[in-house]
Amino acid sequence: SAVISQKPSRDICQRGTSLTIQCQVDSQVTMMFWYRQQPGQSLTLIATANQGSEATYESGFVIDKFPISRPNLTFSTLTVSNMSPEDSSIYLCSVGGREAYNEQFFGPGTRLTVL
Amino acid sequence: DQQVKQNSPSLSVQEGRISILNCDYTNSMFDYFLWYKKYPAEGPTFLISISSIKDKNEDGRFTVFLNKSAKHLSLHIVPSQPGDSAVYFCAASRLSGGSYIPTFGRGTSLIVHP
Repeated sequence: SAVISQKPSRDICQRGTSLTIQCQVDSQVTMMFWYRQQPGQSLTLIATANQGSEATYESGFVIDKFPISRPNLTFSTLTVSNMSPEDSSIYLCSVGGREAYNEQFFGPGTRLTVL
Repeated sequence: DQQVKQNSPSLSVQEGRISILNCDYTNSMFDYFLWYKKYPAEGPTFLISISSIKDKNEDGRFTVFLNKSAKHLSLHIVPSQPGDSAVYFCAASRLSGGSYIPTFGRGTSLIVHP
């Protein structure tokens, strides 16, 4: 298993500003994932972040809105840029498991409210 | 277009009885199906999984059943305990770009009453 921490745990932001969320893992991992869970919705994958290369974004998510950094094998950041109230969500980072069924280990999440 | 659907947003069960959480999917290419459990203010934690070539997997009080012809899976918890009260997410994954990427349902909130 992996222990994952996220900062901040929650924040309230004004529209038009940006917030950077940090994700720290207690072991070296190749791939890290960023998810969003909007109120009443499922967890939706935003992007996959590999160390040393650009993140791969899912349909509907773009780098200008959600820039991601992956400077080393234990750390990643997700920035939510030019925020609007529709960005109010829980943002979670995760890492893949090593088993064949590939369960993921999630951080505790960052609850973002945009006013 | 939801590929993984959990049609019951909530379920209430008495302690000691069976909890049955249901999940439907639309994509026959999924390789694995997983259940995650989420407590408030915590990230989801992996509970149990099943390969698409199996029809049942059991781990203690938790059993997952897969009906591929119906594209349906269910999680059975027997006996249910108050500590099982949480949101349960069904997820289905398939190989994409060298990694298994899960697609999640919207979750079912289980409440187990003492």
